[in-house]
Amino acid sequence: EVQLVESGGGLVKPGGSLRLSCAASGFTFSSYSMNWVRQAPGKGLEWVSSISSSSSYIYYADSVKGRFTISRDNAKNSLYLQMNSLRAEDTAVYYCAGRPKGPRYGDYEDWFDPWGQGTLVTVSS
Amino acid sequence: QSVLTQPPSVSGAPGQRVTISCTGSSSNIGAGYDVHWYQQLPGTAPKLLIYGNSNRPSGVPDRFSGSKSGTSASLAITGLQAEDEADYYCQSYDSSLSGHAVFGGGTQLTVL
Repeated sequence: EVQLVESGGGLVKPGGSLRLSCAASGFTFSSYSMNWVRQAPGKGLEWVSSISSSSSYIYYADSVKGRFTISRDNAKNSLYLQMNSLRAEDTAVYYCAGRPKGPRYGDYEDWFDPWGQGTLVTVSS
Repeated sequence: QSVLTQPPSVSGAPGQRVTISCTGSSSNIGAGYDVHWYQQLPGTAPKLLIYGNSNRPSGVPDRFSGSKSGTSASLAITGLQAEDEADYYCQSYDSSLSGHAVFGGGTQLTVL
């Protein structure tokens, strides 16, 4: 069974840090681009960050650049998001999501599948 | 303000057909980027519903269909069922945002 399981969410004060983890199973994790997508309470989806299969290419949304760091460990089938200098507007459910390998070398499909169940991050004093 | 514009809500009676629009611009859908759709049932994670404008993943009923034309895309649901009540999101990419993924604001479907 294809599965992504996030952990590490919780309540943190503004300016604080948190590290999210995502454990993958049931698919070839090392060939997927992995991503973090967040959803603020009652709001829509926002792409946060992506990392290529070999960690060679890393991208961030402007809203988190310089504060968040994405990483992965293919040996452990795991994805991480280190979140520093957290703000109230970072409050959201954070989902990890994969992009499958595409038909051409070094390419990935444009859609996100699979998704994890999400972990809630609340930034509040 | 989302880069891709969706109606906040749509509704329909069981058995009816509804459509959800996703309007973009020349830097995303109009630039040739494909559109993908996700279904988010209440309290759950998003699930891929349509990929590559009009393709259904295995297990998605053929009541769901997608199309794309110009700077817009649409999701159609025929034979509406109570279990279709959910939020629906479109997704594409935008060249003005370094080619990063963008989502629509989401559409809440109510089955009357």
